[in-house]
Amino acid sequence: AQSVSQHNHHVILSEAASLELGCNYSYGGTVNLFWYVQYPGQHLQLLLKYFSGDPLVKGIKGFEAEFIKSKFSFNLRKPSVQWSDTAEYFCAQRGSTLGRLYFGRGTQLTVWP
Amino acid sequence: EAQVTQNPRYLITVTGKKLTVTCSQNMNHEYMSWYRQDPGLGLRQIYYSMNVEVTDKGDVPEGYKVSRKEKRNFPLILESPSPNQTSLYFCASSLGGAWGYTFGSGTRLTVV
Repeated sequence: AQSVSQHNHHVILSEAASLELGCNYSYGGTVNLFWYVQYPGQHLQLLLKYFSGDPLVKGIKGFEAEFIKSKFSFNLRKPSVQWSDTAEYFCAQRGSTLGRLYFGRGTQLTVWP
Repeated sequence: EAQVTQNPRYLITVTGKKLTVTCSQNMNHEYMSWYRQDPGLGLRQIYYSMNVEVTDKGDVPEGYKVSRKEKRNFPLILESPSPNQTSLYFCASSLGGAWGYTFGSGTRLTVV
């Protein structure tokens, strides 16, 4: 079965620290990959997506992600986090069946001011 | 404003009492889907629809029904809710392909 792995359950950082959240996607699935963010009490919002081309993808709010095919990874990065980045982050992979989108279990990011 | 609208936002019900959560999108999207979110489990897909009258099961379809009679609407039906269906539910829609889903604001359901 297709699955997406997020290795960090909870990450705690101070403001201005650099962020990297790990994500590994399924072999054999598509390489349509996404990162979503869920701020406390809110719905999921798309941060960025990758489907082809430049493996370094830039998204909103200063986030970026790098697609590394040889490692089946799609890690999310931000050079300097802010308190307002406190949220849960989800990696997702589109399934080979149209309409299927598989999510990882999420990483809770807490940023201390 | 382009959006996915779910109602109600909060719902407390009793075991066995049928309920429907409505979902509507105004973006003319082909694809719609329902997810449930549980702590530590992430989001799991319940059902999805690729077009009117075309629906299919996701990873956790047991205990749920859906219908897609119109392109904009995709209600989630719990015929006989049970406490293990207490969860946060999200409806989502998509153009399909590489576009990903746009999510609604969520419905927090408690079954007692």
